[in-house]
Amino acid sequence: DAEITQSPRHKITETGRQVTLACHQTWNHNNMFWYRQDLGHGLRLIHYSYGVQDTNKGEVSDGYSVSRSNTEDLPLTLESAASSQTSVYFCASSEGRLAAQETQYFGPGTRLLVL
Amino acid sequence: GESVGLHLPTLSVQEGDNSIINCAYSNSASDYFIWYKQESGKGPQFIIDIRSNMDKRQGQRVTVLLNKTVKHLSLQIAATQPGDSAVYFCAGDGSSNTGKLIFGQGTTLQVKP
Repeated sequence: DAEITQSPRHKITETGRQVTLACHQTWNHNNMFWYRQDLGHGLRLIHYSYGVQDTNKGEVSDGYSVSRSNTEDLPLTLESAASSQTSVYFCASSEGRLAAQETQYFGPGTRLLVL
Repeated sequence: GESVGLHLPTLSVQEGDNSIINCAYSNSASDYFIWYKQESGKGPQFIIDIRSNMDKRQGQRVTVLLNKTVKHLSLQIAATQPGDSAVYFCAGDGSSNTGKLIFGQGTTLQVKP
């Protein structure tokens, strides 16, 4: 079955280190998204991509970067991890054939703790 | 800015009763809405969606109602079961035509046995 996976599921790192979170989908979806989820803030969009070589900033993109070298993967990199980036991170994807009115399907999440 | 919000942070219902979770949105031009269910430690899971040209849509034990006049949508769960205990999010496209969604903060549904 097609799916969307994230790895690692849990990560502990130190302030200042570079961290990369992986997201892989097998639906052949064009659109991919990264969110963080924190108490009191709900889901906030970090970065998104409409296809290979395309990336866009979301509402909370500072300190994060993404790259899209193929359809299946959108890795999220924290350039220099900060304690404020302790959060649960979700990757999502949608078909992308229509720009609007599309359901996003979510991965299981990565819990990141920055010490 | 545009917003999508839920009315109650927590809803407690008796097993077997019907549950109603409400959501309001700010942009009257919004075309598409989705309800997600998120269980503890898991990612949001699609439940049901509705487009602005509809007032009602039914799934298995769930119904979504859309009232465009007052910019309100609701999720109704029939015969609520313990497995329905989760956080429920509404999301809308905010008429952005970008494929992006605007999420509410979630209502926690607690089902009492």
